[in-house]
Amino acid sequence: GAGVSQTPSNKVTEKGKYVELRCDPISGHTALYWYRQSLGQGPEFLIYFQGTGAADDSGLPNDRFFAVRPEGSVSTLKIQRTERGDSAVYLCASGPRPGTSNTGELFFGEGSRLTVL
Amino acid sequence: AQSVAQPEDQVNVAEGNPLTVKCTYSVSGNPYLFWYVQYPNRGLQFLLKYITGDNLVKGSYGFEAEFNKSQTSFHLKKPSALVSDSALYFCAVRDMLNAGKSTFGDGTTLTVKP
Repeated sequence: GAGVSQTPSNKVTEKGKYVELRCDPISGHTALYWYRQSLGQGPEFLIYFQGTGAADDSGLPNDRFFAVRPEGSVSTLKIQRTERGDSAVYLCASGPRPGTSNTGELFFGEGSRLTVL
Repeated sequence: AQSVAQPEDQVNVAEGNPLTVKCTYSVSGNPYLFWYVQYPNRGLQFLLKYITGDNLVKGSYGFEAEFNKSQTSFHLKKPSALVSDSALYFCAVRDMLNAGKSTFGDGTTLTVKP
């Protein structure tokens, strides 16, 4: 597609359940990022992929959060044993490989709003 | 560590007047600086960036921003505001040597009144 696609757009789940959020980046973008945005705050970095590998996962809050990108394109953010504090909008962004002529601006999807009851 | 401060939660201007949305940053190396805009129920959209060179950069929709190294600032400006500019604006910084991670401010809501 033309832009970054995220599914589902909305997810309501119960505390303790497992959730998967999917991101389909812009075709040809090798870099993929996950951010989390809580109400009234800016996006908070979670993880960055370059190709299939996680180049920086320093933003993942704990071991309940995990992300994969097995073929270097689509990525899935996985949250185990969800807690009410995980409620937020999860944003995915993609971009050309940093260090090329396009230096780092991000192209965002519209986000997946997660509500944990 | 890198950080961004947007000191104003809200900026209100009248249509046709100039606008400024403030941003200061902290980064250990040389910065890459960005402005993004978020309209209601939409994803963040890239507006403009500073990488190197001229301190005044121009971007989409008539916006510009001025990089000031001594003041570690990157304020967003527009000479004549439009009602349609009303949105949430985010400043972001990335260390030139840190390939992946951009750090965002908490955003400034710009309201342009007719």
